[in-house]
Amino acid sequence: DTAVSQTPKYLVTQMGNDKSIKCEQNLGHDTMYWYKQDSKKFLKIMFSYNNKELIINETVPNRFSPKSPDKAHLNLHINSLELGDSAVYFCASRTETGRETQYFGPGTRLLVL
Amino acid sequence: QKEVEQNSGPLSVPEGAIASLNCTYSDRGSQSFFWYRQYSGKSPELIMSIYSNGDKEDGRFTAQLNKASQYVSLLIRDSQPSDSATYLCAVRLYQAGTALIFGKGTTLSVSS
Repeated sequence: DTAVSQTPKYLVTQMGNDKSIKCEQNLGHDTMYWYKQDSKKFLKIMFSYNNKELIINETVPNRFSPKSPDKAHLNLHINSLELGDSAVYFCASRTETGRETQYFGPGTRLLVL
Repeated sequence: QKEVEQNSGPLSVPEGAIASLNCTYSDRGSQSFFWYRQYSGKSPELIMSIYSNGDKEDGRFTAQLNKASQYVSLLIRDSQPSDSATYLCAVRLYQAGTALIFGKGTTLSVSS
């Protein structure tokens, strides 16, 4: 049983295109996140979201936008893709009560050509 | 700027030795501390969390926290080749929501 899933696993696209990455968690968690891991393996928070608020890392370009159709999903939409957007994007989720463990999805490897 | 610092390594130890991984953080408001392990091409996996000063042991792993020195470490006893991975130190700042601030990771290589 997959706890946090992401699609697609790999995404190769041209500069200037718009793309979306989907994330779903079946853990009943309240908060979901998007992280970006660059070529040097540095993992940085992009967004955190629960049904109450969206917190955006101020360094994230506004070409990136999270969309949550329901509590179990947090999709990432990227407009006008740039070469520097190439990275691995991880979705994660966490419950608001009890343990603080964040569970990560398998990652989406985005390559912008 | 909230930062978490780690030596990038690689840290090389022989099988059976103790591997010591270190991490410092800049924000005294940090409340929760985590060690994640990431194998190449895989997602981060939580191996230890620690919230108060002192040591916390779980199997071969011991996390140590010293808030006065803003320092957190991870000891891996009886290191195994399967421990070879990148270890990410992460800190949660309550004033920044619940997201984690990660260090750049230390690559550990355990030779048999």
